[in-house]
Amino acid sequence: GAGVSQSPSNKVTEKGKDVELRCDPISGHTALYWYRQSLGQGLEFLIYFQGNSAPDKSGLPSDRFSAERTGGSVSTLTIQRTQQEDSAVYLCASSPNRGTLANEQFFGPGTRLTVL
Amino acid sequence: DQQVKQNSPSLSVQEGRISILNCDYTNSMFDYFLWYKKYPAEGPTFLISISSIKDKNEDGRFTVFLNKSAKHLSLHIVPSQPGDSAVYFCAASASAGANNLFFGTGTRLTVIP
Repeated sequence: GAGVSQSPSNKVTEKGKDVELRCDPISGHTALYWYRQSLGQGLEFLIYFQGNSAPDKSGLPSDRFSAERTGGSVSTLTIQRTQQEDSAVYLCASSPNRGTLANEQFFGPGTRLTVL
Repeated sequence: DQQVKQNSPSLSVQEGRISILNCDYTNSMFDYFLWYKKYPAEGPTFLISISSIKDKNEDGRFTVFLNKSAKHLSLHIVPSQPGDSAVYFCAASASAGANNLFFGTGTRLTVIP
């Protein structure tokens, strides 16, 4: 059975370049979340989608970060003009329904982003 | 500002013994707590949760204890098995249906055969 998948698994980029990270949620899951884990930090919430809309984007750290979701499925997280402090593991999670119990967030394996 | 704290980055335990992982939180609005387990190159997977109306929840070898007055929770694994070796994250939310989980920094558990 397909779980949450993310691509690429690793991304190395140069400072100032733009990057796109992709998340394929579990089929049928309407809610999708992005988190990141910087070195020595816990997972940090970035944005939540319900369907294609993002009712909570409070965790996006700056306007260089944006995310979209199309067709109620795939989501892309875009970081423009990357900085070294953007280096982290970016995790995506999905859950079946709006207001689902928090324990039903299923996580992907993450994308490790390194900004040189 | 880290609202959920796991002060022990690592823990080593002999197989068969008890593992105790600790977690502290600062936000009194948190009322639902979870533990996730993470293996290398995989995403975190849900392990066990507890609502603030309880002080204990047990699932097989895993028990979570909540002390609301101390804003402290702990995960007990007994008996510990080598397959339990992983990073364990504590997480909290303001309600069971909340979208935003606040995570700790994780504790790496190593169970020695």
